[in-house]
Amino acid sequence: DADVTQTPRNRITKTGKRIMLECSQTKGHDRMYWYRQDPGLGLRLIYYSFDVKDINKGEISDGYSVSRQAQAKFSLSLESAIPNQTALYFCATSDLDGYEQYFGPGTRLTVT
Amino acid sequence: QQQVKQSPQSLIVQKGGISIINCAYENTAFDYFPWYQQFPGKGPALLIAIRPDVSEKKEGRFTISFNKSAKQFSLHIMDSQPGDSATYFCAARRGNTPLVFGKGTRLSVIA
Repeated sequence: DADVTQTPRNRITKTGKRIMLECSQTKGHDRMYWYRQDPGLGLRLIYYSFDVKDINKGEISDGYSVSRQAQAKFSLSLESAIPNQTALYFCATSDLDGYEQYFGPGTRLTVT
Repeated sequence: QQQVKQSPQSLIVQKGGISIINCAYENTAFDYFPWYQQFPGKGPALLIAIRPDVSEKKEGRFTISFNKSAKQFSLHIMDSQPGDSATYFCAARRGNTPLVFGKGTRLSVIA
């Protein structure tokens, strides 16, 4: 089984809808991250969490919120989706030293 | 402000050739420089990494060259193979902060 899983893998939603992307990990890592990937823009950090009680904004947090339900679970929400949030979203984890990040398979989100 | 500038955006290399991807940074406090490899439909995965106290690190066909004074580092892929075709990201970080990624380079190795 994959160490970092993301659900759903693909999602099409309409403008204005609320949507949640979920991430689970079995690596026992404390640190979890949400990234967005757009062609030509690379990986941009949305939010990160260093432990269950710690949530931090990343480079592009506007329009997004997160919840760290447990050490193993980190969810990303779009409260009111807009078309420019169409992108590939990745969850990642790392241990305390953070040197290696382990990425999930990604969620392709399309907002129409 | 882009903290890590990566070039080129795309690269086509003949099988057996050398692929070179470059990154430049401004923040001299960065102390860890990894490269990630991403195949289509997959998440990125750590390929190789270097710290600024060494100028070169080699793992098989992959080498990172690091120039601290120029604030640049590069990935060299020797004897490039079609299986190396992927998107490559450089990254950097300071202390215990999250990684900052470059915009990526799409490498195509053609036979």
